[in-house]
Amino acid sequence: DQQVKQNSPSLSVQEGRISILNCDYTNSMFDYFLWYKKYPAEGPTFLISISSIKDKNEDGRFTVFLNKSAKHLSLHIVPSQPGDSAVYFCAASGSSNTGKLIFGQGTTLQVKP
Amino acid sequence: DTGVSQNPRHKITKRGQNVTFRCDPISEHNRLYWYRQTLGQGPEFLTYFQNEAQLEKSRLLSDRFSAERPKGSFSTLEIQRTEQGDSAMYLCASSLWTRQMETQYFGPGTRLLVL
Repeated sequence: DQQVKQNSPSLSVQEGRISILNCDYTNSMFDYFLWYKKYPAEGPTFLISISSIKDKNEDGRFTVFLNKSAKHLSLHIVPSQPGDSAVYFCAASGSSNTGKLIFGQGTTLQVKP
Repeated sequence: DTGVSQNPRHKITKRGQNVTFRCDPISEHNRLYWYRQTLGQGPEFLTYFQNEAQLEKSRLLSDRFSAERPKGSFSTLEIQRTEQGDSAMYLCASSLWTRQMETQYFGPGTRLLVL
């Protein structure tokens, strides 16, 4: 059972435009959500996170939105840059005691110059 | 501030051989996690340690897999009698857990190919 889903395997946007990556989850016990970026042959790099007590968190060009009623979160990148081209994973954690992360399948973002 | 390091970065082995991977976490991080990632999938949790105690193991971790963190610093992941299905990227992450939300920082991974 896939508790965290990223339904879009790939996304292509033009440089300077907004990139929106989506993620859905099924487990209502998840209370902490993270986005990671991954380049080929490297480990995931932490981007931004959000607690379930918030509905928005912003860090520079990256904003994460959380809609708990819809069990949906999204990552907005504005403006998109060619260096943002990578695979993006959303991840969820369900307890303050165990930080085990459940990952989605990833979305490959391509930002075209 | 050095990040999480993993060695080796690549490992090719023959089916039936044993392999061992090492992870050095960010200093002062008390939690260390192991994940496995196969092509087209997100990382899957294998096990984690808080200091030297192994607190949880996934059912993905068969009896052929063993992990240790003997002094609460570096960790090793051993796979005995490797199978072709063990071919994957093995990722290590560390975090500082303080009873609040924690952020895990990943190493570059060890890519295993079992022939």
